[in-house]
Order: sequence, then C-alpha cells, then structure tokens
Amino acid sequence: GQQLNQSPQSMFIQEGEDVSMNCTSSSIFNTWLWYKQDPGEGPVLLIALYKAGELTSNGRLTAQFGITRKDSFLNISASIPSDVGIYFCAGLASGTYKYIFGTGTRLKVLA
Amino acid sequence: DTEVTQTPKHLVMGMTNKKSLKCEQHMGHRAMYWYKQKAKKPPELMFVYSYEKLSINESVPSRFSPECPNSSLLNLHLHALQPEDSALYLCASSQLGLAKNIQYFGAGTRLSVL
Repeated sequence: GQQLNQSPQSMFIQEGEDVSMNCTSSSIFNTWLWYKQDPGEGPVLLIALYKAGELTSNGRLTAQFGITRKDSFLNISASIPSDVGIYFCAGLASGTYKYIFGTGTRLKVLA
Repeated sequence: DTEVTQTPKHLVMGMTNKKSLKCEQHMGHRAMYWYKQKAKKPPELMFVYSYEKLSINESVPSRFSPECPNSSLLNLHLHALQPEDSALYLCASSQLGLAKNIQYFGAGTRLSVL
C-alpha cells in the first residue's frame, strides 16, 4: 500500500542532543499524527496536527504541519535514553479514515 | 480514557488451528481497524469497520475473517494460517465524521504460526 517517505531511516545520537525527523508525501493531508512505538508494543500517539503551519508541543517534543500540507516535522529536544524506539508519522486525507503511515525512524540514544 | 484493549497478548497456533483475536474500546469510537505489522515495518492496514459495517478490506486473504459484534468490540478470526502470517496484529479505533480524527492503538497481539 501507499507509504509516506520518512527520514532519516535511523539515527544514533548522544544523550542530551536534539533530534529532527520529517515525513513527506506526494498527496495533501488534513491531519498529521506522530506515534512512538516500543518493541512488541502498539504505537502510542505523541502529537496530532490539524492545520497547515500549525506548531504543537508535547513536553520535549515539537511537531509542525507543513505549509504545503504535504509534509510534517518532529523535533525532540535534549534526548534521553527512554526516547529510544521507532517513530512513525501518519497522514489522513480529507473524506477518508484510512491513515497512511511513514516508513519509520528508528532512534537509538547513546548514554 | 484512550484505551484500546487487545487479547491475547501472545498467541502460538498451528496451521490447522482456529483462533480469534479480540479488541475492545469504550471511547465511543465508531471506526475500528485491524493492522498487521512485521518487524521494523510500519503497520499495514487490513480492515476498517465504520458503524459496525466492513468498509475497507485491503485484499486480505480469506483465512482472516473480521467481525464487529457491536460498536465496542472487534474480532479477527484466524483459520488455516501460514507461517508468513506471523506478525504483530494491532487494533485501533477512531472517531468518525469529526475534523480532529485521532487513531488510538492497542498494545497488539504477537502471533506465531508454526
């Protein structure tokens, strides 16, 4: 099925560093969701975005809905070991309830 | 409460077995989803129910049979599965008809087919 391009695919960072990842699509979306998934668990919602240009924070996490409505960005500030996991974006187009998922960004934090 | 509950947590079955996965939510959501997820891959949509009716079937083999007995429950009946069907099966739910449409996931059922 259709997937969104998410980058980077994986990243190793030092504890305390900031992290940036993004998701791009060839289609326009009305909603962007960002999830974190730990091994063997279901995705947990981090941030939801509903309007182009919207910037939303959740603790150390900040996400933005791109102006073109075809991309979204997630930043994590001052990373800690529990930030380890896979981060997925998901987009939802108008008139549908079929979410399209990004390919995922695997984050590893070195203490 | 944003909880979606899936049982069992783990399931091992032979290729001739019949088993069922269960999912429950009490958020009043009228859309419920089944996803299949392989290791290191994003969730792959299988089925969507809206208002207890099957609205999307992503060409899933008939050995997977979904059922939505009521607005809070979703089942996935399994029969004659293949080893390649081993995966994490995720249930999710969301509101319908609202602009702010958030999808919440359960913890998943880890299925192994021997």
